[in-house]
Amino acid sequence: AQSVTQLDSHVSVSEGTPVLLRCNYSSSYSPSLFWYVQHPNKGLQLLLKYTSAATLVKGINGFEAEFKKSETSFHLTKPSAHMSDAAEYFCVVRNMDSNYQLIWGAGTKLIIKP
Amino acid sequence: SQTIHQWPATLVQPVGSPLSLECTVEGTSNPNLYWYRQAAGRGLQLLFYSVGIGQISSEVPQNLSASRPQDRQFILSSKKLLLSDSGFYLCAWGSTGWNTEAFFGQGTRLTVV
Repeated sequence: AQSVTQLDSHVSVSEGTPVLLRCNYSSSYSPSLFWYVQHPNKGLQLLLKYTSAATLVKGINGFEAEFKKSETSFHLTKPSAHMSDAAEYFCVVRNMDSNYQLIWGAGTKLIIKP
Repeated sequence: SQTIHQWPATLVQPVGSPLSLECTVEGTSNPNLYWYRQAAGRGLQLLFYSVGIGQISSEVPQNLSASRPQDRQFILSSKKLLLSDSGFYLCAWGSTGWNTEAFFGQGTRLTVV
């Protein structure tokens, strides 16, 4: 069975400093992984996805994530945080056992300090 | 291009009243459709998904039901709302396939009073 764990419920960084949001997954298969962002009271927007091509995936708004099979991780990073990055971020793995449903992490709230 | 519409954006309903939330997708055919609920401070919970007209799968037993009367229309309903039904409801669509993502509507904030 697949699962995903976001290691931090909240992450606080200063504007202009790097962002690291951690995600570990469990999968018996070569996984399909996603990061979504949600601004307050808004729908979810896809940041990036990994589907067994390049292990370093670049997404929108300067975010990227690196797939590390040996560590079963798919951490999200950004070199320099902007105030507009304040939002909640979800790591997601595709259920490959049946029905291909998305399995969601609990989310990490990113707080940007001025 | 594909778009997804979900309405209303906010809704305040008394306990025991009925509910109907509607979601429509444009620009694609035979999409997979999803209803999620997001309680405050928590992740997303899949409520229902549909792979075709009249085909509804329920992920959790609850006070809600879903219907898909047309290919690109997905409706979330309740006959009698409970306080615990309050939350943020999100409709999404996706294509079949292991490497495809889901695309979300803007959500409905439901408050049951």
